[in-house]
Order: sequence, then structure tokens, then C-alpha cells
Amino acid sequence: EAGVVQSPRYKIIEKKQPVAFWCNPISGHNTLYWYLQNLGQGPELLIRYENEEAVDDSQLPKDRFSAERLKGVDSTLKIQPAELGDSAVYLCASSLSPGRTQYFGPGTRLTVL
Amino acid sequence: AQKVTQAQTEISVVEKEDVTLDCVYETRDTTYYLFWYKQPPSGELVFLIRRNSFDEQNEISGRYSWNFQKSTSSFNFTITASQVVDSAVYFCALKDSNYQLIWGAGTKLIIKP
Repeated sequence: EAGVVQSPRYKIIEKKQPVAFWCNPISGHNTLYWYLQNLGQGPELLIRYENEEAVDDSQLPKDRFSAERLKGVDSTLKIQPAELGDSAVYLCASSLSPGRTQYFGPGTRLTVL
Repeated sequence: AQKVTQAQTEISVVEKEDVTLDCVYETRDTTYYLFWYKQPPSGELVFLIRRNSFDEQNEISGRYSWNFQKSTSSFNFTITASQVVDSAVYFCALKDSNYQLIWGAGTKLIIKP
């Protein structure tokens, strides 16, 4: 069974530019998560989806971050405009349901110059 | 408050030594889940184990074993006969009643040949 797929793996942009990350969860997993991970720290939840509904986006900086999960499968996370402090690894995870184990993708390492 | 503490920031041992990674948690919930994930240098978070609060049985999987003790709110992870490939950052996490994963800061494990 294929795991969580993310692209791109690496992205380098200049500040104030927009950037988007894509995630394809494990087939059949209804719950999808986006996390941010800074160096030397644990992941921090940005948003959680149940199918196509964002059920927890309290930690998402909505002035510049947006996410969507059309049709309840793939998801896109966007930052516009990017700031220097957004440099981090963006992780996508999925689970069968909210209470089940989360499986993670390889992440996208974002560098904002 | 819900909290996970991994007091060991970094551990370095010589190959074939046994090593124990500590995890202490705090929660008000009576039902909760505990997890260990491994994050090798490649960056992907790899699920290792999930344990629910009603199951205090210790678990052994090959060279890995876990000791869950509710009396001390600990969920420690031991690697027996460590190998260089075990080098990674290991995260302990707690899933609360709101389905949020609360992460420890991680322990960086270095296995020297």
C-alpha cells in the first residue's frame, strides 16, 4: 500500500512569493493533517480535515496561510506571501479516522530567502 | 494541562549497547493514547507503536521494547543491541480526547560504530 505522498520535497523561494504544497493521503484515510516542524522541535498542527471539512484550523495563520481538500482526498496548503519565518518542514499526515494512528509523508522542506 | 516531556535532548552510545529513551506525560483524560515515532535524517516520521491507556502490558518488537507505567505516567522506549541505523530523533506523543497529538520535543539518538 502506498504511503502519504507529498510534493515538492524541497522548495526555495524569496520572501513575499507565494508557495503551495500538495499532499495525497493513504487511500481510504478520511482524516488529513498538515503540520509545521521547525528544526529541533516536534510537529505543530496547522489544520485537520475530516473528509473535505476543516474541523480544526485554530493554529493556521489565516492571514497568509490557506488550505483546501476538495473532494476529500488530495489537499493543498498555500502560503501567500511567504515570510522568512515560514522556513520549516511542512508535513502531511493521514489516518482512517481522528482517533486512529497518523501516518506521515516525507515532508516539504521550505526555505524562504 | 496535556504535556509530554522527553528530558533527554541527545543520547550518544556505542553500537550494540542498550539504550532507553524516557517519556513522561501529563493528562486529565482517563482514556488516551501514547505513541512513539522515529524520524531518521531523511525526515519522514515513522510510526513505531501506539498504546492505549487501558493496556499496561509491555510490548516487545524485535530489538525494540516499550514500558508503560500509569503509576508514574511514563512510556519509555528501549532499544536492545543498538545499531547505527537506529540513529534518529525519536518522538513520544499523546493523543488527547480532542484527537490532538501532543508531541514531546524529541530525543536525538546517536549510535556510534
